[in-house]
Amino acid sequence: AQSVSQHNHHVILSEAASLELGCNYSYGGTVNLFWYVQYPGQHLQLLLKYFSGDPLVKGIKGFEAEFIKSKFSFNLRKPSVQWSDTAEYFCAVTINNNAGNMLTFGGGTRLMVKP
Amino acid sequence: DSGVTQTPKHLITATGQRVTLRCSPRSGDLSVYWYQQSLDQGLQFLIQYYNGEERAKGNILERFSAQQFPDLHSELNLSSLELGDSALYFCASSPHGGGRAPRTDTQYFGPGTRLTVL
Repeated sequence: AQSVSQHNHHVILSEAASLELGCNYSYGGTVNLFWYVQYPGQHLQLLLKYFSGDPLVKGIKGFEAEFIKSKFSFNLRKPSVQWSDTAEYFCAVTINNNAGNMLTFGGGTRLMVKP
Repeated sequence: DSGVTQTPKHLITATGQRVTLRCSPRSGDLSVYWYQQSLDQGLQFLIQYYNGEERAKGNILERFSAQQFPDLHSELNLSSLELGDSALYFCASSPHGGGRAPRTDTQYFGPGTRLTVL
């Protein structure tokens, strides 16, 4: 079965700092990769997704992620964070088989941006 | 707003009771997914329905069951509730999610139902 690891559980940054959140998955076949964000008290919102093609994908709110197949990684980046980016970030994968289309999530990374 | 609606927003009940959570998918989406978010287990997939039929099952307890109706809305039934069932329950929907789902199939999440078991 596939699994997803997010190594940073808590990250604290000052405004304007650069952000990189790690995500690694374990699965030998083809995966689809997602980053979701959950603002305090709210539901999960899709930040960006990767299915195929250019491994550098751009999402909403200035976020981007790079798929590195050889490293089984899909790290999330933002050049300059804002206080409003304070949230929990989840990396997730789906795999293409006949067993459904469920998302497997990482444990999440709580980001706090200090004003 | 993702277009996925869930009711109720909050639910407080006692151990041993039974509750029903409701989800309406985005217009045109055929698949509905249920996820549980708790502090100790994180976000866990429970079950998926596709066009009225069960498609995939995850870490769903036998005390829990779900169904998807002809109008594609779904209900998650939780019975014999225990303190440990307290969690946020999210519903998501996607256009496909069947056996040959396009690789671009993306899930959009509802606002969730916060269940508190006392």
